[in-house]
Amino acid sequence: DIQMTQSPSSLSTSVGDRVTITCRASQSISSYLNWYQQDPGKAPKLLIYAASSLQSGVPSRFSGSGSGTDFTLTISSLQPEDFATYYCQQTYRTPYIFGQGTKLEIK
Amino acid sequence: EVQLVQSGAEVKKPGESLKISCQGSGYSFTTYWIGWVRQMPGKGLEWMAIINPGDSDTRYSPSFQGQVSISADKSISTAYLQWSSLKASDTAIYYCARLGMAVTKHYIMDVWGQGTTVTVSS
Repeated sequence: DIQMTQSPSSLSTSVGDRVTITCRASQSISSYLNWYQQDPGKAPKLLIYAASSLQSGVPSRFSGSGSGTDFTLTISSLQPEDFATYYCQQTYRTPYIFGQGTKLEIK
Repeated sequence: EVQLVQSGAEVKKPGESLKISCQGSGYSFTTYWIGWVRQMPGKGLEWMAIINPGDSDTRYSPSFQGQVSISADKSISTAYLQWSSLKASDTAIYYCARLGMAVTKHYIMDVWGQGTTVTVSS
């Protein structure tokens, strides 16, 4: 299986901050990397696909980059509704494993 | 509106069997694979398996192979996740999700069900 490692596992941040979350694959996955946001008690929501493509309806403050094994999700200016947990997922080969998640908390 | 609607919460005892469902609407059910994802209490997302409702082809994560079974009934646009003998460690929220294909030809889980909470306790 291709393993996905996210860092950090949690981050204490403030509204207006620029935030970067990283995700590393155990082998090259080209650009087969998605990012999801999950609010407590809710289903995950797709934010970014193919490493850097913004899903329809997602605010432009979210962006993704990377290819191969190293990827990043950046939120340019945190808004109150962005305090959630974020997951990366590889879809290069089944099983389409998720990273362990990064929880953004209010400082 | 494209949506996946899951069956309601379940409370079961260890050793019991269970089948939960995920019904799709607003799109061609047989065109998209359906996936199942587990989230144990306070934990992250775990990819379990996917099924092609058109021909019932399946792919399982090794972690879940033999522990659960997935199926689909395309006549009623419904996918299923089932257990033959539940354990306390199966307590979790289970999500179904549509496996769409983006314009970039990448698979995405673009539509999610609301989740089904399964509690297994004696």
